[in-house]
Amino acid sequence: SQKIEQNSEALNIQEGKTATLTCNYTNYSPAYLQWYRQDPGRGPVFLLLIRENEKEKRKERLKVTFDTTLKQSLFHITASQPADSATYLCAFRRRGGATNKLIFGTGTLLAVQP
Amino acid sequence: GAGVSQSPSNKVTEKGKDVELRCDPISGHTALYWYRQRLGQGLEFLIYFQGNSAPDKSGLPSDRFSAERTGESVSTLTIQRTQQEDSAVYLCASSKKGQGAYEQYFGPGTRLTVT
Repeated sequence: SQKIEQNSEALNIQEGKTATLTCNYTNYSPAYLQWYRQDPGRGPVFLLLIRENEKEKRKERLKVTFDTTLKQSLFHITASQPADSATYLCAFRRRGGATNKLIFGTGTLLAVQP
Repeated sequence: GAGVSQSPSNKVTEKGKDVELRCDPISGHTALYWYRQRLGQGLEFLIYFQGNSAPDKSGLPSDRFSAERTGESVSTLTIQRTQQEDSAVYLCASSKKGQGAYEQYFGPGTRLTVT
């Protein structure tokens, strides 16, 4: 079955540093990957989308890469701030099919220390 | 504008009872999704509606779960004869279209606790 894995351990970094979160997938080829942010008690909020034919996407302090050979996406937050502390989820939609359903990873908790 | 809303925000029910969870998507969004999120887990796809097409029910865990959607508006997720393992946050999301790369907009979720 399709599987998507994220670091289950929390990532603790110092304010101002770059946070890098990893998302690995197996058994399928995504048409695209999405990254979401989830705060406690809230629904996920969309951040970035990257297609299978794209290597990198940027949005302000955020950068996503997509390596279809390694079957991996990296999510970077530069100049991190305590307000960036949250759980970050990656999700993919597989290529083909009539549905837009997303397969989500379990998320990585990021804690940015002031 | 208004985002996706869900009600109730919290629901406590006794094992064996039926529950109904409601989702109001963003106006104009044709696609609607239901997910389940158990404590400390990722989102688990349940069901997807796209316009008048037949829904994708492939994620429903058992026949105790069902969902309906009226046109391109409100959706109701029903869980019959609830079990303790049904305890989770149920999230609804909508998007502009079903096909293609569109981000999903999530509601705040309904926290269901089965005692």
